[in-house]
Amino acid sequence: GEDVEQSLFLSVREGDSSVINCTYTDSSSTYLYWYKQEPGAGLQLLTYIFSNMDMKQDQRLTVLLNKKDKHLSLRIADTQTGDSAIYFCAERGSQGNLIFGKGTKLSVKP
Amino acid sequence: ETGVTQTPRHLVMGMTNKKSLKCEQHLGHNAMYWYKQSAKKPLELMFVYNFKEQTENNSVPSRFSPECPNSSHLFLHLHTLQPEDSALYLCASSQDRGTGGGYGYTFGSGTRLTVV
Repeated sequence: GEDVEQSLFLSVREGDSSVINCTYTDSSSTYLYWYKQEPGAGLQLLTYIFSNMDMKQDQRLTVLLNKKDKHLSLRIADTQTGDSAIYFCAERGSQGNLIFGKGTKLSVKP
Repeated sequence: ETGVTQTPRHLVMGMTNKKSLKCEQHLGHNAMYWYKQSAKKPLELMFVYNFKEQTENNSVPSRFSPECPNSSHLFLHLHTLQPEDSALYLCASSQDRGTGGGYGYTFGSGTRLTVV
């Protein structure tokens, strides 16, 4: 079945780069997404990548897509304490719904 | 403000109460979703409505009853809930179920439900 896997926790120091990894199963996914959830809030779309792209950069965010390995990553450069949140990877499944991973909790230490 | 508004933000209810959660969007979207988020299952899809028609019910107990009177409004009616139903209930919308392109879903801030 369709599934999205990601590690549950990541801890980095302020100013370092963070890399959050994700694997997915549906090779026909056209879009892959990263969402951010801050405490007590809903999910906010952070960035997305179309499946015919290998990389997308948006200010401090870099998304890398390896379609062969079905691996997606989100790199946050110069991580700040305000980046502390839960980050969800998602793929668009065959039924059109988004399939979410369990989320990676990013903790940024000063 | 994300464009999807959920009320109330917090709700405490007894197991014999009946309450409703409301979700509203004025983004022109035609698909709306209810998700349950808890410590055990981070994001659990409950219901999907596409053009006001329910297209998916993920084996949700009948004590949860959705209603979609129009494309802008979605309700979740609650009755005789259990303590394990305590969770954050998130509403989302998208252009429609099958497309939405790169914009994915827009989420509301959620209703934090506590069943006592």
